[in-house]
Amino acid sequence: GAGVSQTPSNKVTEKGKYVELRCDPISGHTALYWYRQSLGQGPEFLIYFQGTGAADDSGLPNDRFFAVRPEGSVSTLKIQRTERGDSAVYLCASSRTYQETQYFGPGTRLLVL
Amino acid sequence: EDKVVQSPLSLVVHEGDTVTLNCSYEVTNFRSLLWYKQEKKAPTFLFMLTSSGIEKKSGRLSSILDKKELFSILNITATQTGDSAVYLCAVETQGGSEKLVFGKGTKLTVNP
Repeated sequence: GAGVSQTPSNKVTEKGKYVELRCDPISGHTALYWYRQSLGQGPEFLIYFQGTGAADDSGLPNDRFFAVRPEGSVSTLKIQRTERGDSAVYLCASSRTYQETQYFGPGTRLLVL
Repeated sequence: EDKVVQSPLSLVVHEGDTVTLNCSYEVTNFRSLLWYKQEKKAPTFLFMLTSSGIEKKSGRLSSILDKKELFSILNITATQTGDSAVYLCAVETQGGSEKLVFGKGTKLTVNP
């Protein structure tokens, strides 16, 4: 596609529920990144994929967070047992390959009530 | 721990003014510094800087990197209301993860 797309744009859920956030990178981009941005803060790194494998997941805050990219294109970020502190904008970015400019999607705004 | 600090955090100017946004960093194994503009949710790429002293320019925006003093500036001349946004500075390191480390951003408001 023309740019990185993310769905849904907004997600409201209740504490304790499970959510999935989807990212569709720019066509042909092999590297994919997830970031989380809280209000008034810059984006914080969560996980980076090169192809299908997670090359660095050091930013995932705990084991409730998990991400997959089974075919090396679309990625899904999964959050189990959501907590109010998970409320943030979740941004996805892709780059042609590693060490190249990262282009961001519009994000998913998650609100946990 | 890698750190990126932006200043000021907030800035209000009038159309036509020139602004300078600052970004300082402390990181191990610096690779590049990037500037993004964030208007609603999606940060949009502005510049990538890897070498000291070489100015990058795009229209009314320009940026330069000083790797000795560990900072970068983003200049916007003849500001317009459409320049109102949060400007994010990020540093990429090498030799490990390809993640970006971001500052908190500078919120620029340009009033007519």
